[in-house]
This record gives sequence, structure tokens and C-alpha cells, in this order.
Amino acid sequence: GESVGLHLPTLSVQEGDNSIINCAYSNSASDYFIWYKQESGKGPQFIIDIRSNMDKRQGQRVTVLLNKTVKHLSLQIAATQPGDSAVYFCALKRRPMDTGRRALTFGSGTRLQVQP
Amino acid sequence: GAVVSQHPSWVICKSGTSVKIECRSLDFQATTMFWYRQFPKQSLMLMATSNEGSKATYEQGVEKDKFLINHASLTLSTLTVTSAHPEDSSFYICSARRQGAGQPQHFGDGTRLSIL
Repeated sequence: GESVGLHLPTLSVQEGDNSIINCAYSNSASDYFIWYKQESGKGPQFIIDIRSNMDKRQGQRVTVLLNKTVKHLSLQIAATQPGDSAVYFCALKRRPMDTGRRALTFGSGTRLQVQP
Repeated sequence: GAVVSQHPSWVICKSGTSVKIECRSLDFQATTMFWYRQFPKQSLMLMATSNEGSKATYEQGVEKDKFLINHASLTLSTLTVTSAHPEDSSFYICSARRQGAGQPQHFGDGTRLSIL
């Protein structure tokens, strides 16, 4: 079956350091990947996405890397700030031609703790 | 930006009560809405996909008679937890998406349901 998992359940970093959160997936039919940030008691907040025809995409202070060969996705946060403390989820979507669900499948999440 | 609103944000009720949760897309028309459930320190699990004007598609293991979903308009979907029991206590999150390929999902801030 399909699974999406994360290597580290909790990541603690110092303020100002760079953070890297990893995600592994198993379904090679996935063609769209998203990173979400979830603060306590709130819904997921979109951070950045990437399609399978790309290897890298950059946003403001964030970079997503996609390695389709090993089915690995990572989120890099530059100059991590206390406000970045939250749980981060990777999520993926299958190709539209797939008769399966078109909703997102979420990974298990990584808690990022930023120490001041 | 696209805003999805959930109401109520928090509800406590007695066992056996039915609870209705509303999900509204405030500034766009959502042809598809999704309902997720999230237990503490766990990821979001898709419960059902709701398309405006048609019956919801439930994920395996989700009781359709227990979790009634109505998507009667392009801006409103409701989830009713019928005869709720303590094991139904969870964080329920909806998301909404515009029609068209490549449209992102926008998430609400969730509803914390506690059944006594």
C-alpha cells in the first residue's frame, strides 16, 4: 500500500540555524508534493509545493528538494526562527489518471522546536 | 487569499449527542471539500471527499451513517457526527478546493470535539 513517513519525529534547532525536515514516500505514482506547517490547535498551513517534473523549488526562506529516484522529499528552512516552531507534514497526491483518491495523503509529521 | 472557516472551533457534549460541524469557503467556490480527522500527536487522516451536489465518497473504515456529510452549496459542507461517543473525540479539519486541475487545498482551523 501507499505510505508516507518521516525520518525524525522531533527536530530541535537553535535560532538562526538551518533546519532540514525529511519525508519518504512509497508510491511512485505521486506527482505532486506539498509541505504544510501546523501550529497547535490550528489547521495545516501551506508552505511550499513541488511537482514531480522538478527537483528543487525555493520560496521565502524555504526550499523543497525532491529525489524521485529514492522517493525522498525534504524541506529546508533557512535561518530558523522561534515562529517556525510547529509540526511539519509532507503530503502527496497521486496523478489525476489514477482511479484512486485525489485527496492528499499526509505523512506522520515532524515537530520542529526552535531554541532561542 | 483563500479562506476556509470552520464552526464551531470547539465543542463539548454528552455521549449520544449528534454534533454538526460547518465548513465554509469564504471567498471562493469550492466544488470539492475534504474532511479529515486528527488524533493527538498524529497525522491527518482523510475521512471523506465531498463534491457539491453529489454524495460524499468515504474512506475505507469510515462509517457513512456515523459521519453524515452534506455539501449542498459551493461554499458550505457540513459534517454531522451522529450519536457521538468518547472514541469520536478528535480534531476534525476540513479543506476546500476550487474546480480545475492543480488547484490547491485550503484548510480550515479545525474543530476540537470532546465527547464526555
